Amino acid sequence: IAGITQAPTSQILAAGRRMTLRCTQDMRHNAMYWYRQDLGLGLRLIHYSNTAGTTGKGEVPDGYSVSRANTDDFPLTLASAVPSQTSVYFCASSGTGENTGELFFGEGSRLTVL
Amino acid sequence: GQNIDQPTEMTATEGAIVQINCTYQTSGFNGLFWYQQHAGEAPTFLSYNVLDGLEEKGRFSSFLSRSKGYSYLLLKELQMKDSASYLCAVMDSNYQLIWGAGTKLIIKP
Repeated sequence: IAGITQAPTSQILAAGRRMTLRCTQDMRHNAMYWYRQDLGLGLRLIHYSNTAGTTGKGEVPDGYSVSRANTDDFPLTLASAVPSQTSVYFCASSGTGENTGELFFGEGSRLTVL
Repeated sequence: GQNIDQPTEMTATEGAIVQINCTYQTSGFNGLFWYQQHAGEAPTFLSYNVLDGLEEKGRFSSFLSRSKGYSYLLLKELQMKDSASYLCAVMDSNYQLIWGAGTKLIIKP
Protein backbone atom coordinates (compact mmCIF):
# COMPACT_ATOMS: atom_id res chain seq x y z
CA ILE A 1 0.00 0.00 0.00
CA ALA A 2 1.41 3.36 -1.05
CA GLY A 3 2.03 5.88 1.66
CA ILE A 4 4.40 7.09 4.33
CA THR A 5 6.02 4.88 6.90
CA GLN A 6 7.44 6.21 10.15
CA ALA A 7 9.56 4.36 12.69
CA PRO A 8 9.55 3.92 15.58
CA THR A 9 5.88 4.41 16.45
CA SER A 10 6.76 5.03 20.05
CA GLN A 11 9.97 5.57 22.00
CA ILE A 12 11.02 6.52 25.51
CA LEU A 13 14.39 8.21 25.56
CA ALA A 14 16.74 9.46 28.25
CA ALA A 15 17.67 13.13 28.08
CA GLY A 16 20.96 13.71 26.32
CA ARG A 17 20.62 10.69 24.04
CA ARG A 18 20.69 10.91 20.27
CA MET A 19 17.62 9.73 18.39
CA THR A 20 16.70 9.40 14.72
CA LEU A 21 13.10 9.16 13.58
CA ARG A 22 12.82 7.48 10.21
CA CYS A 23 10.41 8.40 7.43
CA THR A 24 10.01 6.73 4.06
CA GLN A 25 7.49 7.43 1.31
CA ASP A 26 6.76 5.51 -1.88
CA MET A 27 4.59 8.09 -3.65
CA ARG A 28 7.53 9.80 -5.38
CA HIS A 29 6.52 13.10 -3.79
CA ASN A 30 9.06 15.87 -4.05
CA ALA A 31 8.20 17.70 -0.84
CA MET A 32 8.52 16.21 2.65
CA TYR A 33 7.96 17.69 6.08
CA TRP A 34 8.47 17.01 9.75
CA TYR A 35 5.92 18.37 12.21
CA ARG A 36 5.50 18.11 15.93
CA GLN A 37 2.07 18.12 17.53
CA ASP A 38 1.55 19.15 21.13
CA LEU A 39 -1.70 19.37 23.05
CA GLY A 40 -3.41 22.71 22.53
CA LEU A 41 -1.07 23.78 19.77
CA GLY A 42 -1.34 23.44 16.04
CA LEU A 43 1.03 21.34 14.02
CA ARG A 44 4.40 23.09 14.04
CA LEU A 45 6.83 22.65 11.19
CA ILE A 46 10.30 21.57 12.22
CA HIS A 47 12.08 21.10 8.90
CA TYR A 48 11.06 20.57 5.33
CA SER A 49 12.53 19.52 2.01
CA ASN A 50 11.17 20.67 -1.34
CA THR A 51 13.21 18.14 -3.28
CA ALA A 52 15.97 15.60 -2.80
CA GLY A 53 19.24 17.28 -1.80
CA THR A 54 17.63 20.38 -0.28
CA THR A 55 16.28 21.11 3.19
CA GLY A 56 14.89 24.13 4.99
CA LYS A 57 14.10 25.25 8.51
CA GLY A 58 10.55 25.52 9.70
CA GLU A 59 9.03 27.25 12.69
CA VAL A 60 10.78 25.22 15.42
CA PRO A 61 14.05 23.81 14.04
CA ASP A 62 16.32 24.16 17.08
CA GLY A 63 17.62 20.86 18.41
CA TYR A 64 16.66 18.98 15.24
CA SER A 65 18.40 18.17 11.99
CA VAL A 66 17.29 16.47 8.77
CA SER A 67 18.79 15.12 5.59
CA ARG A 68 17.31 14.29 2.19
CA ALA A 69 19.74 12.07 0.35
CA ASN A 70 17.05 10.69 -1.96
CA THR A 71 13.38 11.21 -2.81
CA ASP A 72 12.01 8.53 -0.52
CA ASP A 73 13.74 9.07 2.83
CA PHE A 74 13.65 12.01 5.21
CA PRO A 75 15.05 11.17 8.66
CA LEU A 76 14.79 13.54 11.61
CA THR A 77 17.59 13.53 14.19
CA LEU A 78 17.59 14.84 17.72
CA ALA A 79 21.28 15.27 18.52
CA SER A 80 20.85 15.50 22.29
CA ALA A 81 17.25 15.02 23.39
CA VAL A 82 15.66 17.28 26.02
CA PRO A 83 12.33 16.83 27.85
CA SER A 84 10.73 19.70 25.87
CA GLN A 85 11.08 17.53 22.78
CA THR A 86 8.50 15.13 24.19
CA SER A 87 5.83 15.21 21.51
CA VAL A 88 4.15 13.36 18.68
CA TYR A 89 6.12 13.72 15.48
CA PHE A 90 4.50 13.46 12.07
CA CYS A 91 6.25 13.08 8.78
CA ALA A 92 4.31 14.19 5.71
CA SER A 93 4.75 14.54 1.98
CA SER A 94 3.06 16.39 -0.85
CA GLY A 95 3.19 16.32 -4.61
CA THR A 96 3.54 19.19 -7.05
CA GLY A 97 0.90 21.18 -8.84
CA GLU A 98 -1.99 23.30 -7.65
CA ASN A 99 -2.84 21.51 -4.45
CA THR A 100 0.53 21.20 -2.73
CA GLY A 101 -1.27 21.77 0.56
CA GLU A 102 -2.73 18.28 0.38
CA LEU A 103 -0.36 16.52 2.70
CA PHE A 104 -0.11 12.81 3.26
CA PHE A 105 0.91 11.99 6.81
CA GLY A 106 2.65 9.06 8.39
CA GLU A 107 1.07 7.47 11.46
CA GLY A 108 3.25 9.44 13.84
CA SER A 109 6.06 8.74 16.27
CA ARG A 110 5.31 9.33 19.93
CA LEU A 111 8.52 10.36 21.68
CA THR A 112 8.93 10.75 25.43
CA VAL A 113 12.16 12.27 26.75
CA LEU A 114 12.81 11.71 30.44
CA GLY B 1 2.25 37.55 13.14
CA GLN B 2 0.29 34.80 11.52
CA ASN B 3 -2.70 33.39 13.30
CA ILE B 4 -5.38 30.79 12.77
CA ASP B 5 -8.32 30.74 15.20
CA GLN B 6 -10.87 27.99 15.62
CA PRO B 7 -12.94 26.85 18.59
CA THR B 8 -11.25 24.39 20.91
CA GLU B 9 -14.20 22.04 21.27
CA MET B 10 -17.73 21.60 19.99
CA THR B 11 -20.49 19.13 20.80
CA ALA B 12 -23.24 18.02 18.43
CA THR B 13 -25.89 15.34 18.18
CA GLU B 14 -25.85 12.37 15.85
CA GLY B 15 -27.85 13.13 12.72
CA ALA B 16 -27.58 16.89 13.16
CA ILE B 17 -25.55 19.56 11.34
CA VAL B 18 -22.51 21.33 12.77
CA GLN B 19 -20.48 24.27 11.50
CA ILE B 20 -16.85 24.66 12.54
CA ASN B 21 -15.48 28.16 11.99
CA CYS B 22 -11.95 29.23 11.21
CA THR B 23 -10.61 32.77 10.99
CA TYR B 24 -7.14 33.58 9.81
CA GLN B 25 -4.59 36.35 9.54
CA THR B 26 -1.65 35.36 7.40
CA SER B 27 1.00 36.95 5.25
CA GLY B 28 -0.49 36.16 1.89
CA PHE B 29 -2.98 33.49 0.94
CA ASN B 30 -2.59 30.51 -1.33
CA GLY B 31 -5.43 28.34 -0.18
CA LEU B 32 -7.24 27.07 2.90
CA PHE B 33 -7.32 23.43 3.91
CA TRP B 34 -9.35 21.32 6.30
CA TYR B 35 -8.06 18.10 7.77
CA GLN B 36 -9.68 15.48 9.97
CA GLN B 37 -7.73 13.81 12.74
CA HIS B 38 -9.12 10.97 14.81
CA ALA B 39 -7.62 10.54 18.26
CA GLY B 40 -4.25 8.82 18.11
CA GLU B 41 -4.15 8.92 14.32
CA ALA B 42 -2.62 11.04 11.59
CA PRO B 43 -4.44 13.99 10.00
CA THR B 44 -6.16 13.25 6.70
CA PHE B 45 -7.05 15.79 4.02
CA LEU B 46 -10.71 16.80 3.74
CA SER B 47 -11.03 19.89 1.56
CA TYR B 48 -9.32 22.76 -0.19
CA ASN B 49 -10.64 26.26 -0.96
CA VAL B 50 -8.75 28.89 -2.89
CA LEU B 51 -11.66 30.90 -4.32
CA ASP B 52 -14.57 32.39 -2.41
CA GLY B 53 -17.60 30.20 -2.10
CA LEU B 54 -18.73 26.77 -1.09
CA GLU B 55 -17.09 23.48 -1.98
CA GLU B 56 -19.26 20.44 -1.39
CA LYS B 57 -18.02 16.91 -0.98
CA GLY B 58 -20.67 14.50 0.18
CA ARG B 59 -21.73 15.22 3.75
CA PHE B 60 -18.92 17.74 4.15
CA SER B 61 -18.81 21.27 2.73
CA SER B 62 -16.24 24.02 3.15
CA PHE B 63 -16.79 27.72 2.66
CA LEU B 64 -14.29 30.51 2.14
CA SER B 65 -14.46 34.30 2.27
CA ARG B 66 -11.02 35.74 1.55
CA SER B 67 -12.10 39.34 2.21
CA LYS B 68 -13.21 38.36 5.72
CA GLY B 69 -10.38 35.92 6.41
CA TYR B 70 -12.98 33.34 7.25
CA SER B 71 -13.85 29.76 6.48
CA TYR B 72 -16.17 27.15 7.86
CA LEU B 73 -16.50 23.40 7.59
CA LEU B 74 -20.06 22.15 7.53
CA LEU B 75 -20.79 18.57 8.48
CA LYS B 76 -24.26 17.22 7.75
CA GLU B 77 -26.05 14.08 8.94
CA LEU B 78 -23.52 13.61 11.68
CA GLN B 79 -22.36 10.12 12.44
CA MET B 80 -20.53 8.86 15.51
CA LYS B 81 -17.45 8.26 13.36
CA ASP B 82 -17.27 12.03 12.74
CA SER B 83 -16.02 12.44 16.30
CA ALA B 84 -12.54 13.78 15.67
CA SER B 85 -10.47 16.94 15.64
CA TYR B 86 -10.80 19.19 12.61
CA LEU B 87 -7.75 21.20 11.66
CA CYS B 88 -7.84 24.40 9.64
CA ALA B 89 -4.67 25.38 7.77
CA VAL B 90 -3.79 28.27 5.48
CA MET B 91 -1.01 28.32 2.90
CA ASP B 92 0.82 31.62 3.14
CA SER B 93 2.76 33.63 0.56
CA ASN B 94 5.79 31.33 1.02
CA TYR B 95 3.64 28.29 0.31
CA GLN B 96 4.01 27.13 3.90
CA LEU B 97 1.00 25.78 5.79
CA ILE B 98 0.01 27.63 8.95
CA TRP B 99 -2.09 25.41 11.21
CA GLY B 100 -4.82 26.12 13.69
CA ALA B 101 -4.84 24.21 16.98
CA GLY B 102 -7.83 22.19 15.86
CA THR B 103 -11.44 21.82 16.96
CA LYS B 104 -12.35 18.69 18.85
CA LEU B 105 -15.84 17.61 17.77
CA ILE B 106 -17.77 15.39 20.15
CA ILE B 107 -20.82 13.62 18.74
CA LYS B 108 -23.48 12.48 21.19
CA PRO B 109 -26.12 9.87 20.40
